Amino acid sequence: GESVGLHLPTLSVQEGDNSIINCAYSNSASDYFIWYKQESGKGPQFIIDIRSNMDKRQGQRVTVLLNKTVKHLSLQIAATQPGDSAVYFCAENYNNNDMRFGAGTRLTVKP
Amino acid sequence: NAGVTQTPKFQVLKTGQSMTLQCAQDMNHEYMSWYRQDPGMGLRLIHYSVGAGITDQGEVPNGYNVSRSTTEDFPLRLLSAAPSQTSVYFCASSFGSANEQFFGPGTRLTVL
Repeated sequence: GESVGLHLPTLSVQEGDNSIINCAYSNSASDYFIWYKQESGKGPQFIIDIRSNMDKRQGQRVTVLLNKTVKHLSLQIAATQPGDSAVYFCAENYNNNDMRFGAGTRLTVKP
Repeated sequence: NAGVTQTPKFQVLKTGQSMTLQCAQDMNHEYMSWYRQDPGMGLRLIHYSVGAGITDQGEVPNGYNVSRSTTEDFPLRLLSAAPSQTSVYFCASSFGSANEQFFGPGTRLTVL
């Protein structure tokens, strides 16, 4: 899920399939993590969050998994729909008040 | 509630000009922040504030100033615009840094 330079990682899935988007975070002391969805021309929109005392949290059609050992987050979207097509960002509470964002992954859902 | 509002939506500046991007929220949030987003990249934190009268630097503060005289408003000032500041700027607010942030619609700034 990490990007290099200007090229976002992309994930293309078929409508109805499950999607898994990955993110590596940087600070082992980060204690709060958020996944955001950003559609073209709009600001990021909150999807789900998780605190470091948990390793899994479920929402409606979404699940976030946290692996602190390897500093890895994943976002699972069940039964992906065309409306899920967007760029997805993870963010970590890097240094108490400093939220740091990953570079994003572009999800494309094929009908 | 209007949520987080930003003005202007678009702005073109010449190198060396100064301007202020406005941000306001009506959710009584203590934490507010400014990010910039460059093409194909994630958001980078410029400045943030944990409450009225308190501001601090984020990851990329150079060339920008902020103030927080009220809970509602958090303007971002570009002192002397440079082409490297061409970007989309997002303001966000939340109850605290470890809470869901609500984002404004963004300001697209071009510096010639």
